Amino acid sequence: EAQVTQNPRYLITVTGKKLTVTCSQNMNHEYMSWYRQDPGLGLRQIYYSMNVEVTDKGDVPEGYKVSRKEKRNFPLILESPSPNQTSLYFCASSPTGGTLGAFFGQGTRLTVV
Amino acid sequence: AQTVTQSQPEMSVQEAETVTLSCTYDTSESNYYLFWYKQPPSRQMILVIRQEAYKQQNATENRFSVNFQKAAKSFSLKISDSQLGDTAMYFCAFMKGIGANSKLTFGKGITLSVRP
Repeated sequence: EAQVTQNPRYLITVTGKKLTVTCSQNMNHEYMSWYRQDPGLGLRQIYYSMNVEVTDKGDVPEGYKVSRKEKRNFPLILESPSPNQTSLYFCASSPTGGTLGAFFGQGTRLTVV
Repeated sequence: AQTVTQSQPEMSVQEAETVTLSCTYDTSESNYYLFWYKQPPSRQMILVIRQEAYKQQNATENRFSVNFQKAAKSFSLKISDSQLGDTAMYFCAFMKGIGANSKLTFGKGITLSVRP
């Protein structure tokens, strides 16, 4: 089954404790991206990757890091989480161009206390 | 920069009736794509329908259709024969047709409730 898998689905952590949210896709897509969803703001792009070893900032990159060492994986790293990073996070993938729409993971609900 | 506006935060419809969700966007691009995504309580983002800006014909997917007015920069979603399973948040999204970043720019979303 074609899918984008994120883990964990839920995470509660404390301020400053480094964490990683994993994302993996099995569709051989070149393009992957991270979004955060906040009430009243819709989804906003954090980082994206055009292919292996190629990443770039989206609209709200502050406080986040990503890496793309393999085509299928695109982890999101919060090195020192803060309460304003409490949000719902989505990983998405699409073939180059993305004109058919993106495939989204199940979402990760992160709470930073 | 592109913007997507969904001005109605909530709507309600009776089961089996028709409802239209509004979306407007602002862009200087001539080549772009528009999407509607559904987010049920499970939080999964599900692609409902897509429209290519260069196509005049409105997209249709079963009970879902769009009214795409390019000059007015309007992209509304019509749901016919509403079902209880249509209860969800719906997001309108824009994507430029060319460029390195296949970024989706989303509206704030609208919560649709289907009443039995």
